[in-house]
Amino acid sequence: QVQLQESGPGLVKPSQTLSLTCTVSGGSISSGSYYWSWIRQPAGKGLEWIGRISTSGSTNYNPSLKSRVTISVDTSKNQFSLKLSSVTAADTAVYYCARGLYGGGIDYWGQGTLVTVSS
Amino acid sequence: QPVLTQSSSASASLGSSVKLTCTLSSGHSSYIIAWHQQQPGKAPRYLMKLEGSGSYNKGSGVPDRFSGSSSGADRYLTISNLQSEDEADYYCETWDSNTHGFGGGTKLTVL
Repeated sequence: QVQLQESGPGLVKPSQTLSLTCTVSGGSISSGSYYWSWIRQPAGKGLEWIGRISTSGSTNYNPSLKSRVTISVDTSKNQFSLKLSSVTAADTAVYYCARGLYGGGIDYWGQGTLVTVSS
Repeated sequence: QPVLTQSSSASASLGSSVKLTCTLSSGHSSYIIAWHQQQPGKAPRYLMKLEGSGSYNKGSGVPDRFSGSSSGADRYLTISNLQSEDEADYYCETWDSNTHGFGGGTKLTVL
């Protein structure tokens, strides 16, 4: 069974870049049937899709975050990553990585990691 | 891009059944959705993919008590024989070739 695990700093200063990595185990990230997503959830609020990447490196981003987001994939490490630049307190949230099946939506979630933006 | 609308809350008694609704925006009534469950303090969990025809495919380990159905732009999640562990937030998700979206979530209270 596939498992996803987020890692990265839990505290980021305002105006800096948030960087997270998702390590995939139990399956190859190179499988063409899947895409790899980032989703976030501020405390007490709903889910917000950030973006996704295919195994070929093709990306799609939430239009509201597009100017600040970069998602990349490292197939040699079975990992994909998120960078969010110029962060503010509004970017404080639990960040989830997830796997999606083409035509089927998200089917596996990571456990999530809390990122706080504060000086 | 389709927009998903969910009631903010629902409640039902232990052992009874409840039907949660996710409504697709105008012009998107044929879209497939997915249902996800988020228990308090935990990550979301995939429950099922649900088509406009009402056909659904559940994730691994999802109990038989969970089922899906559709009518027009409405997508339903029915939970039978409610258990205490079913108290959670339930989100619907949809997607197209460029983007994804989630409904606002329904908080289910088991009385």
